[in-house]
Amino acid sequence: GNSVTQMEGPVTLSEEAFLTINCTYTATGYPSLFWYVQYPGEGLQLLLKATKADDKGSNKGFEATYRKETTSFHLEKGSVQVSDSAVYFCALSDRGGGADGLTFGKGTHLIIQP
Amino acid sequence: DSGVTQTPKHLITATGQRVTLRCSPRSGDLSVYWYQQSLDQGLQFLIQYYNGEERAKGNILERFSAQQFPDLHSELNLSSLELGDSALYFCASSADRGGYEQYFGPGTRLTVT
Repeated sequence: GNSVTQMEGPVTLSEEAFLTINCTYTATGYPSLFWYVQYPGEGLQLLLKATKADDKGSNKGFEATYRKETTSFHLEKGSVQVSDSAVYFCALSDRGGGADGLTFGKGTHLIIQP
Repeated sequence: DSGVTQTPKHLITATGQRVTLRCSPRSGDLSVYWYQQSLDQGLQFLIQYYNGEERAKGNILERFSAQQFPDLHSELNLSSLELGDSALYFCASSADRGGYEQYFGPGTRLTVT
């Protein structure tokens, strides 16, 4: 079956530090990959996506590249801010497998200190 | 604001009871998805409807059911509630049957006492 593995944290960084959150996946088909962010007390917001190998998704200074050879989709940001503190979820949608619900990782709690 | 609305925001009920959660998708979206978020299980896909018909099932219990109405809003029915059903329930919508990005509502927090 499909699965997503990501570091759970909490990950604590200082403001302006470089961020990497690792995400690897297992899928039976040709998945689309997503990063969602959840701020305290809120729903999930789509941060970025990539639909095929070597695609790079980017938004609000965050980037992730779809690496089929390593089955990875690591999230990066060059300089984090306190406002980036949230829980980040890596997810996949495997259309080839026939099921269209998203499979999520367990989430990474990111804490940015001023 | 994603454009997906969910009601109620909070729900407190007792074991053995039945509740209905409601979701209105973004304007124009035909697919509605339901997810459960709990501390021990994380985010789990429950069920998807596309234009009124069931499209895919995930880890949905037999005590749970859903439907999508002609105006495309959806309801998730949870019956014979147990303490372990306490969780955040999210609805999401997308323009297509899947693979396109899903937009999430703010969630309904269900507490079973």
